[in-house]
Amino acid sequence: DTGVSQNPRHKITKRGQNVTFRCDPISEHNRLYWYRQTLGQGPEFLTYFQNEAQLEKSRLLSDRFSAERPKGSFSTLEIQRTEQGDSAMYLCASSKTGYGNQPQHFGDGTRLSIL
Amino acid sequence: DQQVKQNSPSLSVQEGRISILNCDYTNSMFDYFLWYKKYPAEGPTFLISISSIKDKNEDGRFTVFLNKSAKHLSLHIVPSQPGDSAVYFCAAPLSGGGADGLTFGKGTHLIIQP
Repeated sequence: DTGVSQNPRHKITKRGQNVTFRCDPISEHNRLYWYRQTLGQGPEFLTYFQNEAQLEKSRLLSDRFSAERPKGSFSTLEIQRTEQGDSAMYLCASSKTGYGNQPQHFGDGTRLSIL
Repeated sequence: DQQVKQNSPSLSVQEGRISILNCDYTNSMFDYFLWYKKYPAEGPTFLISISSIKDKNEDGRFTVFLNKSAKHLSLHIVPSQPGDSAVYFCAAPLSGGGADGLTFGKGTHLIIQP
């Protein structure tokens, strides 16, 4: 059983460019979450999907951020017109539905550096 | 506005002794709490959880205690081992049922001294 996979692991780009990150959840998990983590802070929740439906997106940081999960499997997070303040670790997590609370399992993240 | 607070940025404990990591929360509606462990350059790894209807949950060397009246939980690691050196995060679901995203504390860096 493979874990949550995120690609790329590192992304360096110039300010103003668009970036896209990919997340492949654990295969039987139908819930998928995106978080951002900055230095000295815990992960900050951005958005989540149940299958292909995006059930929460009010916490996306601005309208430059968008996420998709078109077939209910992998997901992408896109940041348009990147800014210096977007430099952070972007984490993906997945969980399954079931009886009781199900913990979220995280990938190793994509580290974004804006030049 | 931080709903989950970890007030100790770091903690140093001797190998073999007990490590106690603390977490306070402000939202009395939280019904489930989780602890995650994070090594550098890796994502957080789920460690242990507790439902608000319990006051203790144990898994091997790890025990979490919940004091609802004080809005406080703690993670006990006994005995502490060198591999336990990591950053530990306390977290709770933002809405009931665990389906929503988690809110995290800022973490406590645990250092196990040989």
